[in-house]
Order: sequence, then C-alpha cells, then structure tokens
Amino acid sequence: NAGVMQNPRHLVRRRGQEARLRCSPMKGHSHVYWYRQLPEEGLKFMVYLQKENIIDESGMPKERFSAEFPKEGPSILRIQQVVRGDSAAYFCASSPPSGSNEKLFFGSGTQLSVL
Amino acid sequence: QKEVEQNSGPLSVPEGAIASLNCTYSDRGSQSFFWYRQYSGKSPELIMSIYSNGDKEDGRFTAQLNKASQYVSLLIRDSQPSDSATYLCAVIVTGGFKTIFGAGTRLFVKA
Repeated sequence: NAGVMQNPRHLVRRRGQEARLRCSPMKGHSHVYWYRQLPEEGLKFMVYLQKENIIDESGMPKERFSAEFPKEGPSILRIQQVVRGDSAAYFCASSPPSGSNEKLFFGSGTQLSVL
Repeated sequence: QKEVEQNSGPLSVPEGAIASLNCTYSDRGSQSFFWYRQYSGKSPELIMSIYSNGDKEDGRFTAQLNKASQYVSLLIRDSQPSDSATYLCAVIVTGGFKTIFGAGTRLFVKA
C-alpha cells in the first residue's frame, strides 16, 4: 500500500522559471493538502483540494501560485516566475473521505531551491 | 494572535525523564487535535490524536486536552534519544476543512 508520493524530491530553478510539484495521494484518499515549510518553522497551510475542486485556497499567495487536482493523475502545485523567497520544503498530505476528523498522511516533500 | 501557539524550545531533557510539550489554540470551535513528530529533514508523522477533554494514553505518549482553556499537551514518559525531534501541534479549525500547525517545539533527549 503505497504512501503519499511526491516528486521530485529536490528541484532547482533559476529566478523567473516555473516550478511544478507533483503529489499522488494514498490509495483511497481523495483529499489533498499542500503545505510550505521554511527552515526552523512550522508548516504553513496553502491549499486544500478534492478531485477537480479547490475547497480552500486561503493560504495560497494571490499571484504566481496555483494548484489543481484533476480527475485523473496527481495533484500539481505550480509556481510561476519563481523568486528566491519561494525556496522552501513543500509537503503534500492526503486524507480519506471520512468527514472532518481527518488525520493527515504526508509525502516526503519537495525541496525547492531557487538560484 | 497565532491560531496555534507552541514554545519553540529547544526543550532539553535527560534520558528517562518526562518531556512535557504544550500548545494553545485560538479557535474555540475546534474539535480535533493532533501531535505530529518531525525528524530533521523528514516529513511529519502522526503520533497522537485527541478529540475529547481529558487524557489519552498510547504507550509512552499521553495527550491531554482542555477545551475550556484551549490547551493541548503531550507528555513523553521515559524519554529516549530517539525521541529527539520537532513536535508539531495541529488543530482542525471550525468547518473541518483544514489543519493548522503550530511552529513546533524542538526536543532534545540527552543520553
């Protein structure tokens, strides 16, 4: 039973390029969450998605960031025109469709480095 | 006021001692509370969940919840060096749509 799969593990981009981070939830899970973590800081909520729907994107920056979770395939977090401040670990988590008491299962994260 | 607050530490305890980690939250309507452990360079993993006032024990871990005081704690008995990690308190906010994390408390257990 595969866990939450994120790729790539490490991503290096130059300023102005685009970054695409992928997340496949655990089998049977239909809820996906993206979090960002800066060094020595906690996890900052970015967005919560279900298949083909964005449920809560209150933590997403208004510009350059977008997320999707299509009917088929992984969830994608897209960062356009990256800047050095985007350098962070991005974690994806998934949970089953079981109501509001949702325990999160995390992927290994993608470490984004912007040069 | 931050939604979930924790003392960042570091908290240092000797091996075999009890480590006590504390957390307060601002959303009085929250009903679900969690403790995650995160080793350096790794992803968080769930170690405890608690939904009702009182204590919940699981092995060496005890979670305590006091909704009136908006306070959650985690006790680790017989602390081991392998418990050295950052412990993240997490709360599902009213509406049940997202989990908010505290900044974490770094724990060091000295052998």
